[in-house]
Amino acid sequence: GDSVTQMEGPVTLSEEAFLTINCTYTATGYPSLFWYVQYPGEGLQLLLKATKADDKGSNKGFEATYRKETTSFHLEKGSVQVSDSAVYFCALSEGDSSYKLIFGSGTRLLVRP
Amino acid sequence: GAGVSQSPSNKVTEKGKDVELRCDPISGHTALYWYRQRLGQGLEFLIYFQGNSAPDKSGLPSDRFSAERTGESVSTLTIQRTQQEDSAVYLCASSLHGSAGEAFFGQGTRLTVV
Repeated sequence: GDSVTQMEGPVTLSEEAFLTINCTYTATGYPSLFWYVQYPGEGLQLLLKATKADDKGSNKGFEATYRKETTSFHLEKGSVQVSDSAVYFCALSEGDSSYKLIFGSGTRLLVRP
Repeated sequence: GAGVSQSPSNKVTEKGKDVELRCDPISGHTALYWYRQRLGQGLEFLIYFQGNSAPDKSGLPSDRFSAERTGESVSTLTIQRTQQEDSAVYLCASSLHGSAGEAFFGQGTRLTVV
Protein backbone atom coordinates (compact mmCIF):
# COMPACT_ATOMS: atom_id res chain seq x y z
CA GLY A 1 0.00 0.00 0.00
CA ASP A 2 0.87 3.65 -0.08
CA SER A 3 3.38 4.86 2.48
CA VAL A 4 5.51 7.81 3.53
CA THR A 5 9.01 7.60 5.01
CA GLN A 6 10.72 10.56 6.60
CA MET A 7 14.00 10.99 8.39
CA GLU A 8 14.09 10.24 12.05
CA GLY A 9 14.70 13.00 14.51
CA PRO A 10 15.36 14.83 16.51
CA VAL A 11 17.13 17.28 14.27
CA THR A 12 19.02 19.89 16.27
CA LEU A 13 20.24 23.05 14.55
CA SER A 14 21.57 26.44 15.49
CA GLU A 15 19.58 29.51 14.55
CA GLU A 16 20.14 30.61 10.91
CA ALA A 17 21.30 27.15 9.84
CA PHE A 18 20.01 25.47 6.70
CA LEU A 19 17.33 22.85 7.19
CA THR A 20 16.53 19.75 5.17
CA ILE A 21 14.05 17.11 6.30
CA ASN A 22 13.91 14.20 3.89
CA CYS A 23 10.64 12.60 2.82
CA THR A 24 10.07 9.84 0.29
CA TYR A 25 6.85 8.16 -0.66
CA THR A 26 5.41 5.04 -2.25
CA ALA A 27 2.15 5.38 -4.14
CA THR A 28 0.37 3.54 -6.92
CA GLY A 29 -1.18 6.62 -8.52
CA TYR A 30 -0.49 10.34 -8.57
CA PRO A 31 -0.70 11.58 -5.01
CA SER A 32 -0.86 15.06 -3.61
CA LEU A 33 1.92 15.74 -1.13
CA PHE A 34 1.84 17.76 2.07
CA TRP A 35 3.96 18.98 4.94
CA TYR A 36 2.22 19.54 8.27
CA VAL A 37 3.71 21.16 11.36
CA GLN A 38 2.79 20.72 15.00
CA TYR A 39 4.07 23.44 17.31
CA PRO A 40 4.28 22.66 21.02
CA GLY A 41 0.81 22.67 22.58
CA GLU A 42 -0.96 23.30 19.28
CA GLY A 43 -2.89 21.27 16.73
CA LEU A 44 -1.48 20.00 13.47
CA GLN A 45 -1.35 22.71 10.77
CA LEU A 46 -0.87 22.48 7.03
CA LEU A 47 2.49 24.08 6.16
CA LEU A 48 2.59 23.60 2.38
CA LYS A 49 1.43 21.28 -0.36
CA ALA A 50 2.04 20.27 -3.98
CA THR A 51 -0.46 18.46 -6.18
CA LYS A 52 1.57 17.41 -9.22
CA ALA A 53 5.10 16.62 -10.32
CA ASP A 54 7.60 19.51 -10.30
CA ASP A 55 5.24 21.72 -8.28
CA LYS A 56 6.93 23.63 -5.49
CA GLY A 57 5.01 24.34 -2.32
CA SER A 58 6.17 27.20 -0.14
CA ASN A 59 5.12 28.97 3.05
CA LYS A 60 6.83 30.86 5.89
CA GLY A 61 10.23 30.46 4.20
CA PHE A 62 9.84 26.68 3.87
CA GLU A 63 9.88 25.01 0.46
CA ALA A 64 9.38 21.51 -0.91
CA THR A 65 9.43 20.31 -4.52
CA TYR A 66 7.39 17.33 -5.76
CA ARG A 67 9.96 15.05 -7.43
CA LYS A 68 8.26 12.18 -9.20
CA GLU A 69 11.51 10.69 -10.52
CA THR A 70 12.89 10.25 -7.01
CA THR A 71 9.47 9.96 -5.27
CA SER A 72 10.56 12.63 -2.84
CA PHE A 73 9.22 15.79 -1.23
CA HIS A 74 12.06 17.09 0.95
CA LEU A 75 11.37 20.08 3.19
CA GLU A 76 13.94 22.90 3.17
CA LYS A 77 14.46 26.26 4.79
CA GLY A 78 17.43 28.51 4.24
CA SER A 79 17.66 29.99 7.72
CA VAL A 80 15.79 28.47 10.64
CA GLN A 81 14.60 30.35 13.69
CA VAL A 82 14.00 29.23 17.25
CA SER A 83 10.27 29.62 16.56
CA ASP A 84 10.51 26.87 13.92
CA SER A 85 11.04 24.28 16.65
CA ALA A 86 8.21 21.80 16.15
CA VAL A 87 7.37 18.36 14.81
CA TYR A 88 7.08 18.16 11.02
CA PHE A 89 5.00 15.51 9.24
CA CYS A 90 5.13 14.57 5.58
CA ALA A 91 1.89 13.16 4.15
CA LEU A 92 0.20 12.13 0.92
CA SER A 93 -3.32 11.68 -0.32
CA GLU A 94 -4.36 9.65 -3.33
CA GLY A 95 -6.58 11.13 -6.01
CA ASP A 96 -9.50 8.80 -5.48
CA SER A 97 -9.32 9.12 -1.70
CA SER A 98 -8.32 12.72 -1.37
CA TYR A 99 -9.93 12.83 2.03
CA LYS A 100 -7.55 10.21 3.43
CA LEU A 101 -4.05 11.29 4.43
CA ILE A 102 -1.16 8.87 4.90
CA PHE A 103 1.45 10.30 7.24
CA GLY A 104 5.10 9.73 7.94
CA SER A 105 6.19 9.25 11.53
CA GLY A 106 7.20 12.87 12.04
CA THR A 107 10.54 14.62 12.58
CA ARG A 108 11.15 16.75 15.62
CA LEU A 109 13.17 19.90 14.95
CA LEU A 110 14.89 21.76 17.75
CA VAL A 111 16.50 25.10 16.93
CA ARG A 112 18.91 26.51 19.50
CA PRO A 113 19.61 30.25 19.81
CA GLY B 1 -15.95 28.04 17.54
CA ALA B 2 -12.73 29.30 16.10
CA GLY B 3 -11.16 25.90 15.67
CA VAL B 4 -11.71 22.18 16.08
CA SER B 5 -12.29 21.39 19.72
CA GLN B 6 -11.69 18.01 21.31
CA SER B 7 -12.52 16.78 24.78
CA PRO B 8 -11.22 15.60 27.07
CA SER B 9 -7.64 16.67 26.38
CA ASN B 10 -6.37 13.80 28.51
CA LYS B 11 -8.02 10.57 29.58
CA VAL B 12 -6.65 7.80 31.76
CA THR B 13 -8.76 4.68 31.90
CA GLU B 14 -8.48 1.17 33.19
CA LYS B 15 -8.12 -1.72 30.81
CA GLY B 16 -11.51 -3.13 29.89
CA LYS B 17 -13.44 0.10 30.41
CA ASP B 18 -15.23 1.96 27.62
CA VAL B 19 -14.25 5.51 26.67
CA GLU B 20 -15.92 8.20 24.61
CA LEU B 21 -14.00 10.97 22.89
CA ARG B 22 -15.68 14.07 21.58
CA CYS B 23 -14.98 16.35 18.63
CA ASP B 24 -16.59 19.69 17.82
CA PRO B 25 -15.73 20.62 14.24
CA ILE B 26 -15.52 24.10 12.80
CA SER B 27 -19.03 25.39 12.12
CA GLY B 28 -20.08 24.77 8.53
CA HIS B 29 -17.48 22.10 7.82
CA THR B 30 -19.19 19.14 6.19
CA ALA B 31 -16.23 16.77 6.40
CA LEU B 32 -14.87 15.30 9.63
CA TYR B 33 -11.96 12.93 10.18
CA TRP B 34 -10.55 10.89 13.04
CA TYR B 35 -6.89 9.88 13.18
CA ARG B 36 -4.82 8.02 15.76
CA GLN B 37 -1.19 8.74 16.60
CA ARG B 38 0.70 6.16 18.57
CA LEU B 39 3.92 7.15 20.29
CA GLY B 40 6.72 7.63 17.77
CA GLN B 41 4.50 6.86 14.80
CA GLY B 42 2.66 8.81 12.14
CA LEU B 43 -1.03 9.48 12.17
CA GLU B 44 -3.27 6.60 11.14
CA PHE B 45 -6.58 7.27 9.42
CA LEU B 46 -9.56 5.89 11.33
CA ILE B 47 -12.82 7.20 9.87
CA TYR B 48 -14.23 9.92 7.60
CA PHE B 49 -17.67 11.55 7.62
CA GLN B 50 -18.99 13.68 4.77
CA GLY B 51 -22.41 15.22 5.18
CA ASN B 52 -25.14 12.60 5.09
CA SER B 53 -23.09 10.08 3.10
CA ALA B 54 -22.15 6.73 4.57
CA PRO B 55 -18.88 7.15 6.49
CA ASP B 56 -15.63 5.52 5.40
CA LYS B 57 -14.82 3.30 8.38
CA SER B 58 -12.01 1.42 6.68
CA GLY B 59 -9.37 2.61 9.15
CA LEU B 60 -11.07 1.45 12.34
CA PRO B 61 -8.69 -1.17 13.80
CA SER B 62 -11.29 -3.46 15.37
CA ASP B 63 -14.99 -3.77 16.14
CA ARG B 64 -14.29 -2.28 19.55
CA PHE B 65 -14.00 1.07 17.80
CA SER B 66 -17.03 3.01 16.57
CA ALA B 67 -17.83 6.61 15.71
CA GLU B 68 -20.96 8.62 15.25
CA ARG B 69 -21.71 12.03 13.88
CA THR B 70 -24.98 13.90 14.13
CA GLY B 71 -25.57 15.79 10.92
CA GLU B 72 -22.70 18.18 10.38
CA SER B 73 -21.94 18.75 14.03
CA VAL B 74 -20.39 16.90 16.94
CA SER B 75 -18.75 13.52 16.53
CA THR B 76 -17.94 10.94 19.18
CA LEU B 77 -15.39 8.15 18.93
CA THR B 78 -16.12 5.25 21.26
CA ILE B 79 -13.65 2.57 22.23
CA GLN B 80 -15.15 -0.41 24.04
CA ARG B 81 -13.23 -2.74 26.37
CA THR B 82 -10.07 -0.66 26.05
CA GLN B 83 -6.71 -2.40 25.72
CA GLN B 84 -3.24 -1.06 26.46
CA GLU B 85 -2.45 -0.89 22.74
CA ASP B 86 -5.27 1.65 22.40
CA SER B 87 -3.08 4.19 24.22
CA ALA B 88 -2.47 6.99 21.74
CA VAL B 89 -3.38 10.54 20.83
CA TYR B 90 -6.69 10.65 18.96
CA LEU B 91 -6.93 13.58 16.56
CA CYS B 92 -10.03 14.99 14.95
CA ALA B 93 -10.06 17.27 11.91
CA SER B 94 -12.68 19.00 9.82
CA SER B 95 -12.79 20.66 6.42
CA LEU B 96 -15.26 22.64 4.37
CA HIS B 97 -15.26 19.99 1.67
CA GLY B 98 -13.85 16.49 1.54
CA SER B 99 -10.26 17.42 0.84
CA ALA B 100 -7.88 16.29 3.57
CA GLY B 101 -5.29 18.85 2.55
CA GLU B 102 -7.67 21.59 3.62
CA ALA B 103 -8.45 20.08 7.00
CA PHE B 104 -8.01 21.83 10.31
CA PHE B 105 -6.91 19.62 13.19
CA GLY B 106 -7.81 19.72 16.85
CA GLN B 107 -5.21 19.36 19.58
CA GLY B 108 -6.18 15.80 20.23
CA THR B 109 -7.17 13.60 23.16
CA ARG B 110 -4.33 11.73 24.81
CA LEU B 111 -5.69 8.35 25.92
CA THR B 112 -3.75 6.23 28.37
CA VAL B 113 -5.00 2.74 29.20
CA VAL B 114 -3.53 1.34 32.40
